[in-house]
Amino acid sequence: SQTIHQWPATLVQPVGSPLSLECTVEGTSNPNLYWYRQAAGRGLQLLFYSVGIGQISSEVPQNLSASRPQDRQFILSSKKLLLSDSGFYLCAWDGTGTHEQYFGPGTRLTVT
Amino acid sequence: DAKTTQPTSMDCAEGRAANLPCNHSTISGNEYVYWYRQIHSQGPQYIIHGLKNNETNEMASLIITEDRKSSTLILPHATLRDTAVYYCIVNPDYKLSFGAGTTVTVRA
Repeated sequence: SQTIHQWPATLVQPVGSPLSLECTVEGTSNPNLYWYRQAAGRGLQLLFYSVGIGQISSEVPQNLSASRPQDRQFILSSKKLLLSDSGFYLCAWDGTGTHEQYFGPGTRLTVT
Repeated sequence: DAKTTQPTSMDCAEGRAANLPCNHSTISGNEYVYWYRQIHSQGPQYIIHGLKNNETNEMASLIITEDRKSSTLILPHATLRDTAVYYCIVNPDYKLSFGAGTTVTVRA
């Protein structure tokens, strides 16, 4: 069966510090991968998606970037965090041609 | 630019059916209707999707009107664990756009 992992589960970082969140998927090959963010009291916002290694599409211009160095690994990064980067970051995957996205447990980021 | 309209909140009695409405009057012919839910502090969970026909799975039923301008998600026997925010999403592809959803509270 397929599983999706995210770490860390929670993170507190000062403004201006770098960020690296990791997401890995097991039990499937060539998944589509997604990064979402949910700010406090708001809906989920799609940040990035990837259909293959090295292929990243950005949905919203911002202080963040994404990379996919391996087929089942998706990384969200920032060089300098802003207070507005605080939120609940969710990674998700689906298979090509399917309609169901599966979400990871999320990382709760607080920028202080 | 919201594609769907859902009530902000609704209550449901445990053991009864919960009927969650969603309006999507501007839906295009190739757009699917998806339902996800998010239990507090967790990632969203896929429930069901449909294009034109009504659909049923082990979690819920999806009723889509003939003109496809609205739909209803039915949880046949709500339990306390069904308390969550339910999102109705209309999309032609994989780029899901989550709105505010309906906060459903199941009461004993």
